[in-house]
Amino acid sequence: QITLKESGPTLVKPTQTLTLTCTFSGFSLNTRGVGVAWFRQPPGKALEWLALIYWDADTRYRPNLKDRLTITRDTSKNQVVLTMTNMDPLDTAAYYCVHRAYFGSSSYYKDWGQGTMVTVSS
Amino acid sequence: EIVVTQTPLFLTVTPGEPASISCRSSQSLLDIYDGNTYLDWYLQKPGQSPQLLVYMVSYRASGVPDRFSGSGSGTDFTLKISRVEAEDVGVYYCMQRLKLLAFGGGTKVEIK
Repeated sequence: QITLKESGPTLVKPTQTLTLTCTFSGFSLNTRGVGVAWFRQPPGKALEWLALIYWDADTRYRPNLKDRLTITRDTSKNQVVLTMTNMDPLDTAAYYCVHRAYFGSSSYYKDWGQGTMVTVSS
Repeated sequence: EIVVTQTPLFLTVTPGEPASISCRSSQSLLDIYDGNTYLDWYLQKPGQSPQLLVYMVSYRASGVPDRFSGSGSGTDFTLKISRVEAEDVGVYYCMQRLKLLAFGGGTKVEIK
């Protein structure tokens, strides 16, 4: 059974750096093709993809946030960490981490964490 | 950057009746190297994380009822529900992942 759980602060001040941790089980981030992605959803708005890290440590970022985001992994702890600098009230959102499964020549993002709500306010 | 557009924004359906949601991308989602088309569908029920319904256009995820089906090619895709049930309410999203990842704006489905 695959599980993912996000953790981090629920409230951050403007200009601060947000650090979120995704702790997962049921898969290995050392397996070829596997990845972990971060998404977010501002209240009442659509889902947005933020960042992705692959089994080989390759990373991808949302273009308009690339300068503020860093995604890293600790395979020994089964964790993926997302940092976002210079937080703004517009970054208030539920943040989700998601497992990228890979099988044969196919892939999908099926297993999601429960999400963690982050509010940016002074 | 690939832009994904969903229609309609809102959909009110009668239980037992069919429903259809469209998704259009600004460029083809066919990967010419592996032949796969990278368009997925999700349902986000109220207060829940999104759940994968369909991946790569037409492959139903495990546990998804067969009343859900996906179709399409290139830039135009459709999610169909053959007979809507009360538990199908929520917001449906399509997501392209040919180049990075990007969602459509969502379609909110309500029951009459």
